[in-house]
Amino acid sequence: GDSVTQMEGPVTLSEEAFLTINCTYTATGYPSLFWYVQYPGEGLQLLLKATKADDKGSNKGFEATYRKETTSFHLEKGSVQVSDSAVYFCALKPYNNNDMRFGAGTRLTVKP
Amino acid sequence: NAGVTQTPKFQVLKTGQSMTLQCAQDMNHNSMYWYRQDPGMGLRLIYYSASEGTTDKGEVPNGYNVSRLNKREFSLRLESAAPSQTSVYFCAGKGLAGGRGANVLTFGAGSRLTVL
Repeated sequence: GDSVTQMEGPVTLSEEAFLTINCTYTATGYPSLFWYVQYPGEGLQLLLKATKADDKGSNKGFEATYRKETTSFHLEKGSVQVSDSAVYFCALKPYNNNDMRFGAGTRLTVKP
Repeated sequence: NAGVTQTPKFQVLKTGQSMTLQCAQDMNHNSMYWYRQDPGMGLRLIYYSASEGTTDKGEVPNGYNVSRLNKREFSLRLESAAPSQTSVYFCAGKGLAGGRGANVLTFGAGSRLTVL
């Protein structure tokens, strides 16, 4: 079935470092792709999304590009802040049903 | 502007006890979901409801039942709790939210369940 695989964490960076969290997917057709973020003690929140190949989702300095040729949707940020410390989830919605599949999550810690 | 509200936030049960997790949304979403979150496994879908009156099994439905009482409410029931059901449970609704388009999930704050 359709699924996503994201890089295992935890990831620890210094403030202002460059961030990449890898996400690849397996799916039939053209799924929609998402990144969600979970801050401590809270539910998940949508960070960004892309619904077709070559789309770039962006929000709060984070970006991810839907790459059909490599089946990837890697999350990037040029300069992370302490407030970006959270768990990041890659997710996929198959084109032909109402389901949503999540990756295992990557915990990011940013140190001052 | 509550969004998705889950109760209770915390619950401790003994093996074999039953309980119901409640979820209500005020965003007029057609679709609602129940996920469980376990360390290293991300979120796994238990059940979902595409519309009022319909429910479907997700990835890990065993040991759970759901009821879509009306458009607003979607409850998750554990008839006979087991230690393997110790987890954090999240309810979510899906639909247009803040202009971000359809297919965006809005999550509740979670319910932490411990089964002894």
